[in-house]
Amino acid sequence: AQSVAQPEDQVNVAEGNPLTVKCTYSVSGNPYLFWYVQYPNRGLQFLLKYITGDNLVKGSYGFEAEFNKSQTSFHLKKPSALVSDSALYFCAVRAPNYGGSQGNLIFGKGTKLSVKP
Amino acid sequence: EAGVAQSPRYKIIEKRQSVAFWCNPISGHATLYWYQQILGQGPKLLIQFQNNGVVDDSQLPKDRFSAERLKGVDSTLKIQPAKLEDSAVYLCASRGNEQFFGPGTRLTVL
Repeated sequence: AQSVAQPEDQVNVAEGNPLTVKCTYSVSGNPYLFWYVQYPNRGLQFLLKYITGDNLVKGSYGFEAEFNKSQTSFHLKKPSALVSDSALYFCAVRAPNYGGSQGNLIFGKGTKLSVKP
Repeated sequence: EAGVAQSPRYKIIEKRQSVAFWCNPISGHATLYWYQQILGQGPKLLIQFQNNGVVDDSQLPKDRFSAERLKGVDSTLKIQPAKLEDSAVYLCASRGNEQFFGPGTRLTVL
């Protein structure tokens, strides 16, 4: 069965420092991987995705993620954190040929990112 | 482009009562999803529609939950009767190139 693990409940970073939010996955076949961000009282917003191609994927708001097939990881990164990046971040996976369904996402439990001034 | 709309934003009910949530997806999106997000967890798919047909409802507790999308546009999700463990945020999403999520309905069952 497909699954996603986010091993950290919370990540604390000082503003201006680089940040990493970790994600590992388990899926049969080639994975489609996603990162979403959730601000308080708002829906999830799409950040970036990996389908195929370059292992380093660039997304919204200066975020990027690195796909590592051997380690089955898809860590989210940003070179310089902002206080406004503080939010809940979700990693998700979608198997490319998931029965008759189209695009179902399986989410990790989320990681709370706190960026302090 | 207008986003996914959901109402109400908040709902408080007592256990064994009924509740309904409404979703209006992004115009032209044929695929619509309902997710349940319990506090401290990631969203979990309840049901997926393609136009007005159900594609996947394997995780929908059918003894108490129901959903419909009669005209292939708006959708409603109903819980009858509600239990304490149904307290969660119910997210609606529709899919173009990616899934776009609405703001959710926060349900509290007392």
